[in-house]
Amino acid sequence: QSALTQPPSASGSPGQSVTISCTGTSSDVGGYSYVSWYQQHPGKAPKLMIYEVIKRPSGVPDRFSGSKSGNTASLTVSGLQAEDEADYYCSSYAGGNNLVFGGGTKLTVL
Amino acid sequence: QVQLVQSGAEVKRPGASVKVSCKASGSTFTNYALHWVRQAPGQRLEWIGWINAANGNTKYSQKFQARVTITKDTSATTAYMELSSLRSEDTAVYYCARFRFFDWSNDIWGQGTMVTVSS
Repeated sequence: QSALTQPPSASGSPGQSVTISCTGTSSDVGGYSYVSWYQQHPGKAPKLMIYEVIKRPSGVPDRFSGSKSGNTASLTVSGLQAEDEADYYCSSYAGGNNLVFGGGTKLTVL
Repeated sequence: QVQLVQSGAEVKRPGASVKVSCKASGSTFTNYALHWVRQAPGQRLEWIGWINAANGNTKYSQKFQARVTITKDTSATTAYMELSSLRSEDTAVYYCARFRFFDWSNDIWGQGTMVTVSS
């Protein structure tokens, strides 16, 4: 399975909104509602931020939201805060009990 | 609260094998599955495979199919990931993560195990 495509970097000023895309195919992102997003700070394990495209685990701020259109899923971070600066990865079910991750996006808060 | 605690860092020679453990606590081990994911220095997350802790069924990424074995010891509430024929490109942090069947997400992660392959 090929990695999902994410932009290498994204940035925004505090208080602004930023959207990160995750593009796959009809065999993964487009074919299932099992897209997740993870936040990873340097030297730390990933943290689940969004699951099933739009759902937030308990404790994740509602500034984080997810969506999907066709083969592209998106993560939007509203009201950017300094602590949101991290790497973000999407993942998707890819059929046949397989999972695929995106290439990752480094979010910089200016 | 479920916790996953992984074994310590390893240094291996090319061609050797490594076995990383992931001990679960705080919940019934056989109620879920565990994924293994790795991350080479400065690189992306890469899915390796998973094991159903209830029945031991496994699924491996095609990339690792020939070299990886994921097992479990239910009595020890521990899962293992063994990677053989190591090469320098296998140098990475290896994570285990609790896998939720119903939404294909990984909600709890181990702290990671650094595996260095060097001659």
